[in-house]
Amino acid sequence: DAGVIQSPRHEVTEMGQEVTLRCKPISGHDYLFWYRQTMMRGLELLIYFNNNVPIDDSGMPEDRFSAKMPNASFSTLKIQPSEPRDSAVYFCASSPQQYFGPGTRLTVT
Amino acid sequence: AQRVTQPEKLLSVFKGAPVELKCNYSYSGSPELFWYVQYSRQRLQLLLRHISRESIKGFTADLNKGETSFHLKKPFAQEEDSAMYYCALTYNTDKLIFGTGTRLQVFP
Repeated sequence: DAGVIQSPRHEVTEMGQEVTLRCKPISGHDYLFWYRQTMMRGLELLIYFNNNVPIDDSGMPEDRFSAKMPNASFSTLKIQPSEPRDSAVYFCASSPQQYFGPGTRLTVT
Repeated sequence: AQRVTQPEKLLSVFKGAPVELKCNYSYSGSPELFWYVQYSRQRLQLLLRHISRESIKGFTADLNKGETSFHLKKPFAQEEDSAMYYCALTYNTDKLIFGTGTRLQVFP
């Protein structure tokens, strides 16, 4: 298994644009998590799914953020419209045992 | 509310010195505690979990329920230990609550 796969690895976009981050969890894992990592706030859980159903989205900063998991092998995190303060590294992880993906480094200018 | 506190943002030591990365948690029940490590520009990796009671890369951590702590220790630091270390807990699901992390710098 290739582990948790995230794409793109780097994303640079202009303020106001829509950004979509993608994640492929490890096959057979039934939990999927989205985290945001910044220097100031460390790692923050944004949302997590169990069997494709969102369980807890209390960490989603605001309505500009949305996440979906249409099937067991794919999830997206969308930011629309993006703002400079959204610049961070976004990690996806799948469980059991929370294996993390390599992250997507997002820069919003 | 459940919380994980890592009081040090940065810990700098020389090679061969002992290391202790502090972690305190607040939770009234019986949580499961973890340490994750993130080397420069790499993904987070699970370093160890308290239920395993194992030593990974020379690191150990003991859960002290009385002090609600789970400090990470290594008797002799190596340069390759330089990384970000995150303490985390989970209590009833796979949802992890992370501390803000401590950057360990090991100088030669």
